[in-house]
Amino acid sequence: GAVVSQHPSWVICKSGTSVKIECRSLDFQATTMFWYRQFPKQSLMLMATSNEGSKATYEQGVEKDKFLINHASLTLSTLTVTSAHPEDSSFYICSARRARLGGELFFGEGSRLTVL
Amino acid sequence: QQPVQSPQAVILREGEDAVINCSSSKALYSVHWYRQKHGEAPVFLMILLKGGEQKGHEKISASFNEKKQQSSLYLTASQLSYSGTYFCGKMNRDDKIIFGKGTRLHILP
Repeated sequence: GAVVSQHPSWVICKSGTSVKIECRSLDFQATTMFWYRQFPKQSLMLMATSNEGSKATYEQGVEKDKFLINHASLTLSTLTVTSAHPEDSSFYICSARRARLGGELFFGEGSRLTVL
Repeated sequence: QQPVQSPQAVILREGEDAVINCSSSKALYSVHWYRQKHGEAPVFLMILLKGGEQKGHEKISASFNEKKQQSSLYLTASQLSYSGTYFCGKMNRDDKIIFGKGTRLHILP
């Protein structure tokens, strides 16, 4: 199956700092990637859709100035959590779809962010 | 809108069967099923694209009733490796997948 790699796997940072998470599709080109957030024992909540070469589209309630998404190439999307606060601590997971429309999602390994 | 999954949690003994249901108040264009182990990313199980479609792999299968806007995942003769949280996801017209709250499955030896 297709491989999506996410980095870092975990990060601990101080309140007020920014953290960047990378998501790469290793063996296919992904024009669209999705960023999810998951709190312990809860569901995967879609945060935003990352589109190569254009602006990301954010779900309702997600602050686009706080969660900056850049889809620089067909294989790389980044999520930057700016001025992180303890309530931003969560498990962030990216995913990509190989086919243009429809089809299964391939998930990255996830990045666990802890903000002190 | 988030699909509704039931039950929220299931405890089974190895070898027993389980059914997990997923329903939506709005039209379901397709249904995705994933399993997530603790601390890991979700892993794809299967997609159902058409009403009436049924799919399976080994002892895990699923059905999709488009009219009733629901899907069910069947786990037969469960194994210890089936433990985890199962999520159904509905694909919207805009190609996004919205997941249900999940069903935690725990298999006892």
